Amino acid sequence: DAGITQSPRHKVTETGTPVTLRCHQTENHRYMYWYRQDPGHGLRLIHYSYGVKDTDKGEVSDGYSVSRSKTEDFLLTLESATSSQTSVYFCAIKIATGELFFGEGSRLTVL
Amino acid sequence: QQQVKQSPQSLIVQKGGISIINCAYENTAFDYFPWYQQFPGKGPALLIAIRPDVSEKKEGRFTISFNKSAKQFSLHIMDSQPGDSATYFCAASGADKLIFGTGTRLQVFP
Repeated sequence: DAGITQSPRHKVTETGTPVTLRCHQTENHRYMYWYRQDPGHGLRLIHYSYGVKDTDKGEVSDGYSVSRSKTEDFLLTLESATSSQTSVYFCAIKIATGELFFGEGSRLTVL
Repeated sequence: QQQVKQSPQSLIVQKGGISIINCAYENTAFDYFPWYQQFPGKGPALLIAIRPDVSEKKEGRFTISFNKSAKQFSLHIMDSQPGDSATYFCAASGADKLIFGTGTRLQVFP
């Protein structure tokens, strides 16, 4: 187990409210990723980080921001949630072999 | 645009049969091609991976075939079992990003 936890695991919120999802790792891996999973679209990369304060955009970054102020935590923020952001969000870390190891996911529903 | 195209979207196979899932990519800079397996309610987990310097990799009942000139790769599951029922994703990696296909839902019936 690569020691990755996501919180919250489930969240229901209303359109227009801010939402922050947290990804926490215990093994000081440099690379961390946020993906969203939707039926028919697979997993799409939102943002990723290659170090503290070093982040870059993925395929579907509009409407999302991220922050990484310490190695172990990677936060995904929806400044003003919309119904199109209803999804399952997965955090992943790149481990020593180059493999991406995924968390259990956070299910977000925006009403 | 979809950088990694995966087919079929769903697949039904009888126990003991062969499951075949295909993927195609466009970016020749991709240098790592993994397959992930996902069970309901869980995160995807690495199943098997290949780099473009080899044409085939086998691990147990799972085989990746890779065709660099055609920019295609496929997953073969031999002697498919009901426990293999899951969603399978191909992916391609380059420049620190892993780009996924849209997934194939495999159902193996006894």
